[in-house]
Amino acid sequence: NAGVTQTPKFQVLKTGQSMTLQCAQDMNHNSMYWYRQDPGMGLRLIYYSASEGTTDKGEVPNGYNVSRLNKREFSLRLESAAPSQTSVYFCASSVLQGAGEKLFFGSGTQLSVL
Amino acid sequence: GENVEQHPSTLSVQEGDSAVIKCTYSDSASNYFPWYKQELGKGPQLIIDIRSNVGEKKDQRIAVTLNKTAKHFSLHITETQPEDSAVYFCAAEMDTGRRALTFGSGTRLQVQP
Repeated sequence: NAGVTQTPKFQVLKTGQSMTLQCAQDMNHNSMYWYRQDPGMGLRLIYYSASEGTTDKGEVPNGYNVSRLNKREFSLRLESAAPSQTSVYFCASSVLQGAGEKLFFGSGTQLSVL
Repeated sequence: GENVEQHPSTLSVQEGDSAVIKCTYSDSASNYFPWYKQELGKGPQLIIDIRSNVGEKKDQRIAVTLNKTAKHFSLHITETQPEDSAVYFCAAEMDTGRRALTFGSGTRLQVQP
């Protein structure tokens, strides 16, 4: 059981280039998320999708777009990369379990924009 | 929106000692408080969580306490072991139907053997 799979693991871009981060989950979860992690700032939500066909902005959506391709896949696109988008990106899916919504994270994509 | 502050940013303890990490939140409407552990090179993983109608929850060597009046909650790890070394994140969520955890800035815990 793979859980949440992200590709690529590492990426270096030049300012202005575009790229898509891919994410897939095999746990049949309805909700999926994209977070970015920066030193000293914790995890900040970029976009999330409560179910197939719906997406909503999170705390830091500017410069990003998302696509919920189907129930399994949720991609994040940078149309014109900027140095401020250098970060570690995590995809997650979630299920209601026990006290609340439990998130399952992928292993992350380290992105550098030069 | 919600704001979660976490302290300390780094914590070093001797193996066998206890470790305490504290978080405060700003929005009294928050009612779900999970803690995530992130090991090097991996994504965060849920280790314990609590809802606002409960004051304390324990799971073996870890416990979480919540003071809703003061709007703060804490993670307690007893009898620390080297494998507890990781970054720990607290989070808070409002039950508005819009699922979005707000995370603290993280605490790097180092357990010295």
